[in-house]
Amino acid sequence: GAGVSQSPSNKVTEKGKDVELRCDPISGHTALYWYRQSLGQGLEFLIYFQGNSAPDKSGLPSDRFSAERTGGSVSTLTIQRTQQEDSAVYLCASSPAGQGITTKQYFGPGTRLTVT
Amino acid sequence: GENVEQHPSTLSVQEGDSAVIKCTYSDSASNYFPWYKQELGKGPQLIIDIRSNVGEKKDQRIAVTLNKTAKHFSLHITETQPEDSAVYFCAAILSGSARQLTFGSGTQLTVLP
Repeated sequence: GAGVSQSPSNKVTEKGKDVELRCDPISGHTALYWYRQSLGQGLEFLIYFQGNSAPDKSGLPSDRFSAERTGGSVSTLTIQRTQQEDSAVYLCASSPAGQGITTKQYFGPGTRLTVT
Repeated sequence: GENVEQHPSTLSVQEGDSAVIKCTYSDSASNYFPWYKQELGKGPQLIIDIRSNVGEKKDQRIAVTLNKTAKHFSLHITETQPEDSAVYFCAAILSGSARQLTFGSGTQLTVLP
C-alpha cells in the first residue's frame, strides 16, 4: 500500500518568510510524528499527534514552529519568519500505535528546506 | 529523558565481510529498539527492531542483539553487499508511551567492492 508522503520534496525560501510543509500518513495510522534532520546530525523530535488527543509539542524549538493535524489524517508543519538555522530535512512518520502500545514508525521521504 | 549513543560514526568493510554497529541507551525503562537505514535523499527505512523481552532477533543477513543489563544493543550485518552502503540509525523508545523515538547519531557504512 501507499507509504507516508510529504510535499513539497524541496523548498527554498527567503529568510523571514513563512513556510508550510505537508504530511500524508499511512491510511489508518493514528499516530503522526514530525522530526528534523539537520546536516550531519541525527533525527530530532519536533511534535507528536495521537488520535484526538492534544499534541505533544515538547520538541518544537521555538514558538515560530507550529503544527496541526486535520481530521486525524493530514498534518501541516508551519514555520513562521524562517531563519537560516531552520534549514534541514523535515521528516514525517506515522504509526498505528495506540495508547499504551508501541509499534513501528514509518517515515516519509522528507522535505528539504533551504532558507537563503 | 532518554539518551542514545551510537558507534562508530563511520565504518568501511570489504564486500562479504560483516559489519557491527553498537548503541547504548540511558533509560532502563526503554524496551523497544528499532534500526533504520537511510539512503541518500530518502527517508529512514525500518529494517529490524527488537523488544526487551528477547535478546536477539534475526532477519536473513541482519540481526540485532540486546543486553538489557548493560543497556546496549547492536546491529549485525553479515555477507555485506554494496547496496548495504547507507547511514544506519539506532533508536530507543519508552514502551507504552507511544511517543517519539530517541535516535543515535548515525553510522555511515560503506561496503567496498
